[in-house]
Amino acid sequence: AQTVTQSQPEMSVQEAETVTLSCTYDTSENNYYLFWYKQPPSRQMILVIRQEAYKQQNATENRFSVNFQKAAKSFSLKISDSQLGDTAMYFCAFMAHSGNTPLVFGKGTRLSVIA
Amino acid sequence: ETGVTQSPTHLIKTRGQQVTLRCSSQSGHNTVSWYQQALGQGPQFIFQYYREEENGRGNFPPRFSGLQFPNYSSELNVNALELDDSALYLCASSLEAGGNSPLHFGNGTRLTVT
Repeated sequence: AQTVTQSQPEMSVQEAETVTLSCTYDTSENNYYLFWYKQPPSRQMILVIRQEAYKQQNATENRFSVNFQKAAKSFSLKISDSQLGDTAMYFCAFMAHSGNTPLVFGKGTRLSVIA
Repeated sequence: ETGVTQSPTHLIKTRGQQVTLRCSSQSGHNTVSWYQQALGQGPQFIFQYYREEENGRGNFPPRFSGLQFPNYSSELNVNALELDDSALYLCASSLEAGGNSPLHFGNGTRLTVT
């Protein structure tokens, strides 16, 4: 069974600064996907970024980028130029490529961006 | 393009009652997944429906059941409600099953069992 661990229950960052959220996972699969989702107070889970395990290049989406270390089973999210609208819960999630496997989520990190 | 919509947004039920939650998938999506998110936790997978058939199930008892309709909308039914069923229930749809099709989530239904 796969597990996802987010070791930082809460983080805070000053507006315009950079913050990194940590995520580690455990799996015996070789092909899989990793995701970061954002959940603001509106409750909707919004996809921030996706990484395919077979791709060595780290995924980037505007101010959001990841540091994917497959051997270490680590998948951190870096948010640059933090904005007040980035305040939310952030969930790291895993999905195996094989079969009809579900998303497995971590417990989340609450990020507060301070003006 | 209409996103995933869930109804109702909030619901209060008494222990032992039954509840039905509804989800309309995003246009063109044939796969619907349901997740339970307890307070302060990450979402937990309940089950998935693909083209009207259950296509995977998490570690939830049989009193959690579902349906998917020909238009790919879906229902989650919970019988004999328990206090621990109080949670946010999230529905997500995708073009196909599998990680190559990202999940699009609705805003959830907040269920409170008293």
